[in-house]
Amino acid sequence: DAKTTQPTSMDCAEGRAANLPCNHSTISGNEYVYWYRQIHSQGPQYIIHGLKNNETNEMASLIITEDRKSSTLILPHATLRDTAVYYCIVRVENGQNFVFGPGTRLSVLP
Amino acid sequence: DAGVIQSPRHEVTEMGQEVTLRCKPISGHNSLFWYRQTMMRGLELLIYFNNNVPIDDSGMPEDRFSAKMPNASFSTLKIQPSEPRDSAVYFCASRGMGEKLFFGSGTQLSVL
Repeated sequence: DAKTTQPTSMDCAEGRAANLPCNHSTISGNEYVYWYRQIHSQGPQYIIHGLKNNETNEMASLIITEDRKSSTLILPHATLRDTAVYYCIVRVENGQNFVFGPGTRLSVLP
Repeated sequence: DAGVIQSPRHEVTEMGQEVTLRCKPISGHNSLFWYRQTMMRGLELLIYFNNNVPIDDSGMPEDRFSAKMPNASFSTLKIQPSEPRDSAVYFCASRGMGEKLFFGSGTQLSVL
């Protein structure tokens, strides 16, 4: 599975959009981009995933660049409860492995 | 569904003792994963099962660690003998036919 690079930490003001970037320059054509988050002391939680088209669900939007070498997770109106570590993972669909990197620690500030 | 259930929630033991962590995956899920999380090493995949069969145990740190999945509704992770460096949060996760991985609440293990 391709390696990902994320900033170590980010801050965001409550009510504003949080944009979390992820670089995956070695992604293969059949690899998807997944996002999970881990709120303190809980297990990671699935957010969204996509291949090349932009995706949106009730939690977030996923924007993938045309060359697929990077993506951005967007939380449109961040709340204090969105403070968490956000993990970007690249893997083949239906592949077995889910390998988590260090992620981005997002702090939503009042 | 109650989600992935792990027990115990907390475990404190002394070095050299055997520790058994338990996991009940979501009913109908056919893949099960064991992870370990520490501040230093983050979230590490230890082993995963597909249809109760271990597929990849390359993440298991050493022979002191073993995992079993005797049936589709139960898995154990055993450490024998335990050491202080095994102190961590151990997560179990399961996955069905979709792409979402569902995690349990974890077991906080402290080896004194």
